[in-house]
Amino acid sequence: ETGVTQTPRHLVMGMTNKKSLKCEQHLGHNAMYWYKQSAKKPLELMFVYNFKEQTENNSVPSRFSPECPNSSHLFLHLHTLQPEDSALYLCASSLPGVNEKLFFGSGTQLSVL
Amino acid sequence: AQRVTQPEKLLSVFKGAPVELKCNYSYSGSPELFWYVQYSRQRLQLLLRHISRESIKGFTADLNKGETSFHLKKPFAQEEDSAMYYCASKRVNKFYFGSGTKLNVKP
Repeated sequence: ETGVTQTPRHLVMGMTNKKSLKCEQHLGHNAMYWYKQSAKKPLELMFVYNFKEQTENNSVPSRFSPECPNSSHLFLHLHTLQPEDSALYLCASSLPGVNEKLFFGSGTQLSVL
Repeated sequence: AQRVTQPEKLLSVFKGAPVELKCNYSYSGSPELFWYVQYSRQRLQLLLRHISRESIKGFTADLNKGETSFHLKKPFAQEEDSAMYYCASKRVNKFYFGSGTKLNVKP
């Protein structure tokens, strides 16, 4: 699959579990993002990375821990989540510039029991 | 903080009818505004952006700074236009999205 790939597509976890979401892009982009999409709410920007450096943390609780080892990969490490964290987590990437636009992955549907 | 507001959660029209999806923004400065679309079982993708002043799939959107609006319009809706539409604004490289409007085009 080309573009932005997210794994897994679905994840069910208990509140005491530790899991990680993975995002990968081979578009040559150097900015990557995590968004949270809950039912009937706007997409919430969580984190932004530029050239592997975190440039935005939108007041996200510490139980969400991002990692960006290189410009092509982005992880979201999850631990001691709450049921209200259940949502669709979307990864996106972009090439900053005049014609910048976001390319989205298909998302990981997370359910916290 | 930037805010993008889409007041309609659902918009239903008949095929061939005009469509207007509303978007208002609150942002000081020169905004960059976009419309993204998500068709059934597909990922979110860019539809159009205001700086391009383009028409994509018959859709247009004009930035109205006086009304702080960026409404999406199409004169004659088609069934394949049924999807979720999201208005977005960009500051630096941060994109902020509205809550989305579901467009349902009935035959």
